[in-house]
Amino acid sequence: GAVVSQHPSWVICKSGTSVKIECRSLDFQATTMFWYRQFPKQSLMLMATSNEGSKATYEQGVEKDKFLINHASLTLSTLTVTSAHPEDSSFYICSARDSGSASNEQYFGPGTRLTVT
Amino acid sequence: GENVEQHPSTLSVQEGDSAVIKCTYSDSASNYFPWYKQELGKRPQLIIDIRSNVGEKKDQRIAVTLNKTAKHFSLHITETQPEDSAVYFCAAGGNQGGKLIFGQGTELSVKP
Repeated sequence: GAVVSQHPSWVICKSGTSVKIECRSLDFQATTMFWYRQFPKQSLMLMATSNEGSKATYEQGVEKDKFLINHASLTLSTLTVTSAHPEDSSFYICSARDSGSASNEQYFGPGTRLTVT
Repeated sequence: GENVEQHPSTLSVQEGDSAVIKCTYSDSASNYFPWYKQELGKRPQLIIDIRSNVGEKKDQRIAVTLNKTAKHFSLHITETQPEDSAVYFCAAGGNQGGKLIFGQGTELSVKP
């Protein structure tokens, strides 16, 4: 149980285009999901907290107009990287908390590798 | 803002030895402290976690200790094996909607 999927697993896009990444909780409901970015040989940097039915909470320094987050259902959050640039190339990972559990445990997706050319 | 410091950044041990990784956190409201193992290109995998009302937790070869007063927590791996080689991350959080702040990571290498 507690499986989180991401789609796509990897994507290559041209500079200036937008890319949407999906994060799904497959066997539990998640009112809260989190989006992280990880550059090579670095740590996971929290970008934003995605809240079902309301606006996402962005971490300091993360541009909310560039990284659009939509959490329209209890099992799906999407991250759209708008007007992508090569410096946005990174590994994007989502995680989700089980709304039906008192645990703080976060279940991670497999990640999406974005390359902007 | 919240911060988690992790040391060392790299750690090399001989198979069978113990490995210790240490973290400190800044937010005194943190109440949940997980440790993750991440292999290259894969998702982080939870290996053990501890809540703030507990000082120590053990699961076979892995143990975590927490000192809330000093805002320190540590991961202990005993009888290390080559398959323990990976990058390990500590994290702190649990408040503020459950968000986690990660340490910088430790690359553990276990030599046979």
